[in-house]
Amino acid sequence: EIVLTQSPGTLSLSPGESATLSCRASQSVRDNYLAWYQRKPGQAPRILITGASNRAAGIPDRLSGSGSGTDFTLTISRLGPEDSAVYYCLQYGSSPLTFGGGTKVEIK
Amino acid sequence: QVQLQESGPGLVKPSETLSLTCTVSGGSISNYYWTWIRQPPGKRLEWIGNIYYSGSTNYNPSLKSRVTISVDTSKNQFSLKLDSVIAADTAVYYCARGTGWVPDYWGQGTLVAVAS
Repeated sequence: EIVLTQSPGTLSLSPGESATLSCRASQSVRDNYLAWYQRKPGQAPRILITGASNRAAGIPDRLSGSGSGTDFTLTISRLGPEDSAVYYCLQYGSSPLTFGGGTKVEIK
Repeated sequence: QVQLQESGPGLVKPSETLSLTCTVSGGSISNYYWTWIRQPPGKRLEWIGNIYYSGSTNYNPSLKSRVTISVDTSKNQFSLKLDSVIAADTAVYYCARGTGWVPDYWGQGTLVAVAS
């Protein structure tokens, strides 16, 4: 199975700054089938990105996904308090689907 | 907007069967995959498996011998059964809708503890 490694474990940034989250796969993700999710305490995870770079419906363009093969990135520009959450990557190109360990984004 | 809600016992005894149901509202169960995912305390999210509305299933090999996912289109529900549970099966269990294989809408999750 594909192992996803997310880094850093925690990001602590000020409002208005940009966050760069990394997701690295142990082998190439078929067709770049890589998704990103946001999870806040007590809430259902929210899908942000599919296919490495396609924003889900209603996701603002200050969130963007990039990458291919084994290296993927989620970038969040102009951080605000609403971005405080844990972010997960998921590969769905091969079974079993696997998740990264998560990156916690804290807003100072 | 589609919403999903998990329901079932919050406590299961070791060696018994964990049973959860996910009720889908605000949309049809047809033409989608329906997925179960869990997260044990302090561990990463784990994909358990999915079922297409027509009934075909896919399971994580690590759990395949103990898992059954089923769907009831008449009730807009799908279910998870996990046999012979042990303490390591303690987790928050999520149900989710899949557009293709990617889960898009998720439930809030339900904590199931395995203890005597």
